[in-house]
Amino acid sequence: DAGITQSPRHKVTETGTPVTLRCHQTENHRYMYWYRQDPGHGLRLIHYSYGVKDTDKGEVSDGYSVSRSKTEDFLLTLESATSSQTSVYFCAISESLNNEQFFGPGTRLTVL
Amino acid sequence: QQQVKQSPQSLIVQKGGISIINCAYENTAFDYFPWYQQFPGKGPALLIAIRPDVSEKKEGRFTISFNKSAKQFSLHIMDSQPGDSATYFCAASMRLGNFNKFYFGSGTKLNVKP
Repeated sequence: DAGITQSPRHKVTETGTPVTLRCHQTENHRYMYWYRQDPGHGLRLIHYSYGVKDTDKGEVSDGYSVSRSKTEDFLLTLESATSSQTSVYFCAISESLNNEQFFGPGTRLTVL
Repeated sequence: QQQVKQSPQSLIVQKGGISIINCAYENTAFDYFPWYQQFPGKGPALLIAIRPDVSEKKEGRFTISFNKSAKQFSLHIMDSQPGDSATYFCAASMRLGNFNKFYFGSGTKLNVKP
């Protein structure tokens, strides 16, 4: 998975609790992305980062925040998890704007 | 609205047959069209990609056919094998300011029967 790890790989939590997912890369790529994958929707972009401390919203950013304090780490936080955020979350990286994205192994999150 | 429409949702093909998955898009600003392959429990992996200045790209048993005027592109898997059984996603991307925005199709689950 191109030097990308995600943690945790599985998590079950309760509605209203905060959750943080971590993406770690060893490729020193500039761009990092968080997607969610749901049946019938493919992959949808939540947030992305184009450098340390540089982040922006994607198409489904409501209820999510991100932080990138180091090149290698991109954190996704659900401040107060809801059942609609039950999904599989994928991190992706790309070296430049040459369009190739490499995906991590994913985190399966269940919000009860 | 969905920027990239993919069909079929699922596909069953006999070993040795040809698997064909289709995608359509509307936005002519898209300039890169990749296909991803995803096995259960894994992240999507780039399979093959094409830019709109060519009509076809082939890599081994995998071919992308691109029809710019019809705004359609398709993945052909020749001599399909059981190991090809996976979910396939098409995507289209365009430059938006400081990054490339990707839009993904909803996926096609391929089952190749031995």
